Order: sequence, then structure tokens, then C-alpha cells
Amino acid sequence: GQSLEQPSEVTAVEGAIVQINCTYQTSGFYGLSWYQQHDGGAPTFLSYNGLDGLEETGRFSSFLSRSDSYGYLLLQELQMKDSASYFCAVRDRRGSQGNLIFGKGTKLSVKP
Amino acid sequence: GAVVSQHPSRVICKSGTSVKIECRSLDFQATTMFWYRQFPKKSLMLMATSNEGSKATYEQGVEKDKFLINHASLTLSTLTVTSAHPEDSSFYICSASRGSSEAFFGQGTRLTVV
Repeated sequence: GQSLEQPSEVTAVEGAIVQINCTYQTSGFYGLSWYQQHDGGAPTFLSYNGLDGLEETGRFSSFLSRSDSYGYLLLQELQMKDSASYFCAVRDRRGSQGNLIFGKGTKLSVKP
Repeated sequence: GAVVSQHPSRVICKSGTSVKIECRSLDFQATTMFWYRQFPKKSLMLMATSNEGSKATYEQGVEKDKFLINHASLTLSTLTVTSAHPEDSSFYICSASRGSSEAFFGQGTRLTVV
């Protein structure tokens, strides 16, 4: 079957750094993405890794190792507004017709 | 950036009635759109893949006669929940992509069947 594993919950304090890991097992792999979802809202795109290595976008970075079927999302200088659920997702086919297979999500709680 | 618009954002309907949810790609053509369902505090579960000009592809366990999908144009896909029951109450979200990297999601529709 196809599965993505990520921790269910993470708690951290403002200003800290948090890493959310994701391991995947899918029949096809065309990149690992990360999405943020606040309660009651729709997911919003954070980052994408098509190749091995680190991608940095402001306070957020994402890493991929295809040989290990592993990636992570790194959030730095945590702010209260970062409290949300974070989903890793694998695209199972190339291009826009490829579906996103989502992990179960990691609920991040940022404390003062 | 690309925008996907979903309407309505909230709907309450009576058991036995049907509800139509629209998903539009506003500034790009989407040959493929995806419909997800999300239960509270759970992940997004793919219901079906909507293909422009052809029949939708449904995931295992999703009733195609209950969740009717129509993708009549390159910018519009609709999901109709037919003969709704309280157990159909959920958050429904559509998405579309232009390439492999980023998916754009609609705002979601919270359906409550009473």
C-alpha cells in the first residue's frame, strides 16, 4: 500500500526550531510537498522537493532524501501563528495529473 | 499565483436532498481536479479524480452514484452529493495543479446534513 508517516503532534515554544519528519512508501514518487492547514481552513502550499537536498523559503526549509524515502520540514523562529497542522504529501504521477497522497498530519502547538 | 475558488463555503441541507459544490480554477486551465474529504482533525482523503471531458476516477469505497462529479470545462468541476445523509456531513475540498510542484486548494465546503 501507499503510506506516509509523520508524528501526530509536536509542541514547541515561540522562537524555537522544530523539525517535522516524514517517511513515505508509495508506488510512484514525483516529489515531496508540505502543506499548512489552520483549523477550518484549506491547506496552503509551503514547499516542494523534487530532488535530494534542502530547499529554503524564509523561516521554513524542507529536505528530501530519496534513497531513504525521507524528508523533513524545518520551522525556525517559531511564531504563535505557526500553530497549525502540517501535512507532507507525495505526488504519485508526473505533472498536474498526479494525485497528492497525504500523510495524516502533524499538529504543531506553539506556546508563549 | 494561481487561485482555485470553491463555492459554497458552508451549506446546511436536509436529509434526502442533494447539494452541488463548485470548484473553479480562476487563472489557469485544469485538465485534472481532485476532490478530497476531511473529517475533523484528520487528513485529507482523496475521493475522486475529475478529468475534463471524461468520467471521474473514484477511489475505492467511494460511491460514484452518491458523489457525482462533472468536469465539463477546463476551469470548472462540480461535486454533487446526492440523497445526503447526516454521515455525509464533512469538509470537502477540491484542488488543481499546473505542474508537479504545487497544488492549489479551494477554500473548502463544510457540509452539514440535518
